[in-house]
Order: sequence, then C-alpha cells, then structure tokens
Amino acid sequence: AQSVAQPEDQVNVAEGNPLTVKCTYSVSGNPYLFWYVQYPNRGLQFLLKYITGDNLVKGSYGFEAEFNKSQTSFHLKKPSALVSDSALYFCAVRDGGGFKTIFGAGTRLFVKA
Amino acid sequence: DVKVTQSSRYLVKRTGEKVFLECVQDMDHENMFWYRQDPGLGLRLIYFSYDVKMKEKGDIPEGYSVSREKKERFSLILESASTNQTSMYLCASGALRGATPLHFGNGTRLTVT
Repeated sequence: AQSVAQPEDQVNVAEGNPLTVKCTYSVSGNPYLFWYVQYPNRGLQFLLKYITGDNLVKGSYGFEAEFNKSQTSFHLKKPSALVSDSALYFCAVRDGGGFKTIFGAGTRLFVKA
Repeated sequence: DVKVTQSSRYLVKRTGEKVFLECVQDMDHENMFWYRQDPGLGLRLIYFSYDVKMKEKGDIPEGYSVSREKKERFSLILESASTNQTSMYLCASGALRGATPLHFGNGTRLTVT
C-alpha cells in the first residue's frame, strides 16, 4: 500500500534562512513524487515533481526537492525563505502504474520577518 | 487558464439531508477525484473516476457515493449527511497516465448540524 509521512506538523524559519520540509514515502512500484502548496481558503497548487533522473528537482517560486531512494525521502527545500512562503505544504506519491495519488498530513510553514 | 470549479464554497446542511457537491473541469482530463481535508489528517481519498460512468472507491468511501455522467463533471453525494462529515471537500482532476500533477478546485467547506 502507498503511504506518505510528513513528520513535522509545523516548521518555523526566519526570513532569509534556508528551509526544509521533510517527507518520506512508501510505494510498491516506481514512485512519482509531488509537492503541493495550499494558501488559506484555496485548493492545492502544484509546486514540483520527481519522476526519474536527477535527484534534485526544481519547481515554482524557487523551491526544490531532493529525492533519496535509499532513504525513501523527498524533502522540500528553499535556500532563502520569504514571509510569503508561509502556507500549508503537502507531499504526495503515486505508484507509477496507478491512478491514485496519496497525500501526507501536511506541514504548516511559518516564515517570520 | 485551466480550471476545476466546485459549485459551492460554503454549505450548511442538517443531519439526514441528502447533499450534492458538484465539480466541473475544463481540461478534458480522464481522471477525477474527491478528497476530504481534515486538520492533522491531510487529504484522504473518498472516490475517484478514470472514465465516464466508472468509479472506484478510495480510502474512506463509507457514507458517500459519486456520479460521473459526463467527462467534465464529477459529483459527490452524501446520501444522509452526518455531523462527522463536516469537512473541507476538494475535487481534483488529472490526466489518465503519466506523472502529470493534479489540478484542484478551491474546495467546499461543508458543515452538517
């Protein structure tokens, strides 16, 4: 069965500092991995994805994520956080041959000015 | 701009009422999904559909049903609403295969009293 774990309910970081939001996953086949962001009273917006190839993928708004197959992790990173990055972040996984996308519980990011 | 539109932003219903949540997408996507979002639980898949008149149970289908009579429309039905179905409901659509991300509507916040 597929599953996604986001071990931190909340991450606090000062503006200008690097940020990391953690994600680990379990899937039977080749994973497709995603990060989405949710702003208040909105649906989820796609940030970036990993399919295959380079373990470091770049996405929208300066975010990037590092895929680690041995640790089954897909951590979201940004070199310099902005106050406007404050939001709810979701990691998601899909089995490469399947239809279903499974989401983690979400991590709330607070960036303090 | 691609769009997933959920017909209601907020709904308040009474226990025992039959409730319809409507979702329309304009991207000609084969797959459509209904998730519910609860704090600390992330997004949980209720039902999905990969073709017209086809439906598959997700992880928490109890108390819900769905209808997909046209490719662009996917309806979630609460046959007899209960207070534990008070939640945020998110509709999403995506291409049939591959690693394309999901596109989400802005959500319907349902309160059952």
